[in-house]
Amino acid sequence: DAGITQSPRYKITETGRQVTLMCHQTWSHSYMFWYRQDLGHGLRLIYYSAAADITDKGEVPDGYVVSRSKTENFPLTLESATRSQTSVYFCASRDPFAEQPQHFGDGTRLSIL
Amino acid sequence: QQQVKQSPQSLIVQKGGISIINCAYENTAFDYFPWYQQFPGKGPALLIAIRPDVSEKKEGRFTISFNKSAKQFSLHIMDSQPGDSATYFCAASIIYGQNFVFGPGTRLSVLP
Repeated sequence: DAGITQSPRYKITETGRQVTLMCHQTWSHSYMFWYRQDLGHGLRLIYYSAAADITDKGEVPDGYVVSRSKTENFPLTLESATRSQTSVYFCASRDPFAEQPQHFGDGTRLSIL
Repeated sequence: QQQVKQSPQSLIVQKGGISIINCAYENTAFDYFPWYQQFPGKGPALLIAIRPDVSEKKEGRFTISFNKSAKQFSLHIMDSQPGDSATYFCAASIIYGQNFVFGPGTRLSVLP
């Protein structure tokens, strides 16, 4: 099925550990995004990518690393997880040549103990 | 200038009533204003969107009203139903641009 898939859906880890959240889209959209969603803050942009091998920081990039070697994948890595990174993470994609909004995955709920 | 303000934070409406959520933006370069609906455990999904060249757009029970001079836009849900209970986000962007700026969200509860 076409769409955007995030994995895992749920993850519990400990402070200091490295964790990678995966995002895969089947539309070949050039734009991809990572957001975190926290109560009272809505959706805050962590990183975005305009194309393979092109990434840029968003509003809250500290503590996160991204890569994009293939158009369809956009993994997000927390190199040394902290409790403040406990959140729900959403990946999104967009076709830059169409009047369309972003399409979101169903999120990864990450808990850092 | 990148901020989008949204109110109220939460809203409780009786079935059949009208739900109204308001948003305001500062950046006059924004020219695309979507509303997203999010159910628990799901990602936000586009509900309806408007460009600033029109003052109102209606799709079924959902209407966006847009006031360019005031830099405000609002979502009206007519004949609200319990199935409309969700969190609603307004957003703003430059069309064909990369980034969207989201409001903090409104949690709507429609009582049966």
